[in-house]
Amino acid sequence: GAVVSQHPSRVICKSGTSVKIECRSLDFQATTMFWYRQFPKQSLMLMATSNEGSKATYEQGVEKDKFLINHASLTLSTLTVTSAHPEDSSFYICSANLVSAADTQYFGPGTRLTVL
Amino acid sequence: KNQVEQSPQSLIILEGKNCTLQCNYTVSPFSNLRWYKQDTGRGPVSLTIMTFSENTKSNGRYTATLDADTKQSSLHITASQLSDSASYICVVSAGTASKLTFGTGTRLQVTL
Repeated sequence: GAVVSQHPSRVICKSGTSVKIECRSLDFQATTMFWYRQFPKQSLMLMATSNEGSKATYEQGVEKDKFLINHASLTLSTLTVTSAHPEDSSFYICSANLVSAADTQYFGPGTRLTVL
Repeated sequence: KNQVEQSPQSLIILEGKNCTLQCNYTVSPFSNLRWYKQDTGRGPVSLTIMTFSENTKSNGRYTATLDADTKQSSLHITASQLSDSASYICVVSAGTASKLTFGTGTRLQVTL
């Protein structure tokens, strides 16, 4: 149980285009989902916290107009990278919160974005 | 400022050998500590999770320890296999806000 999927797993796009990444909790409902980005040989950095039915909370330094987050249902959150540029190339990982005694986040497999 | 430091940064060991990875944290308030395995190009997968009252937690060949007094944790891998080659990340949760502090990870390479 507690499986999180992401789609697509890999995407290559031209500079200036927008890219949408989906994050789904397959076998549980997630009121909260998190979006991270990870550069090579670095740790995960939290970008934003996505709450179902409300606006996302962005970490300091993350442009909310650049990285649009929509949490339309209890099992789906989307991250749209608008007007992507080469510096946006990164590994994007989502996680979903399974509220329990341990308050565990389950991570998706990640999406590799390459902007040419 | 909450911080999680891991050592060593990277490690190469022979297949079949044991190894121990270290994690020191300064996170307050402390909720729990997790060890994750992250294969290259994949998302992190949870190995163990420990709360304040737990000292040891095992998952197959992985054994994690936690000393809440010294704010240290270790992950011991027994009889390493080639498939253990990955990054191992120590993650500490503060309070109940689901905010996680990530270590920079230890990159483990198991060779023949």
